Amino acid sequence: DAKTTQPPSMDCAEGRAANLPCNHSTISGNEYVYWYRQIHSQGPQYIIHGLKNNETNEMASLIITEDRKSSTLILPHATLRDTAVYYCIVRESGNTPLVFGKGTRLSVIA
Amino acid sequence: KAGVTQTPRYLIKTRGQQVTLSCSPISGHRSVSWYQQTPGQGLQFLFEYFSETQRNKGNFPGRFSGRQFSNSRSEMNVSTLELGDSALYLCASSPHLFGGAGANVLTFGAGSRLTVL
Repeated sequence: DAKTTQPPSMDCAEGRAANLPCNHSTISGNEYVYWYRQIHSQGPQYIIHGLKNNETNEMASLIITEDRKSSTLILPHATLRDTAVYYCIVRESGNTPLVFGKGTRLSVIA
Repeated sequence: KAGVTQTPRYLIKTRGQQVTLSCSPISGHRSVSWYQQTPGQGLQFLFEYFSETQRNKGNFPGRFSGRQFSNSRSEMNVSTLELGDSALYLCASSPHLFGGAGANVLTFGAGSRLTVL
């Protein structure tokens, strides 16, 4: 089972920042937080990952709370092409695969 | 460089038949994972191969099988197809064994959409 909790859906106005929350209260010290997104009828796309520190790349920023029990993915200037299902995943320790939950369906509105 | 290539993109089969799906990973990637996606169950892990060996297996019946070749290309096979096997089958590759130590990321292909009638 997925170890994360995300809101099922969110709306965001085009050009505004999209802030997608994720709760992972049972995360352990060596587990990373990954974010992927899936645009309709395509394969999931990796966005960003982090362990303890905040991370930023060309796509997004990842803010992880100090206690690591939650995180927020930030798309700084959402566009219509960012409409997708966003998955927050905690990679379980050891030799285990990524487990996808239901994700958050983000709708960017013009 | 080329991404993950899955063939065929679409196929239709009837119950009882079998199907083979193919995945060519990104050049240099040695790990290939397979996922099944359905509207009801979402994305579910099938199996992972690394160096021609299955390293992880999800909770699927034995009708689902796979293999990996020495060039890292992978195939998955579903025998005795059932209506419930209709799904998008996704392949993903990564440079190393995904379940190994440290962070890693998966690059997914566009998927093979299987319809069982």
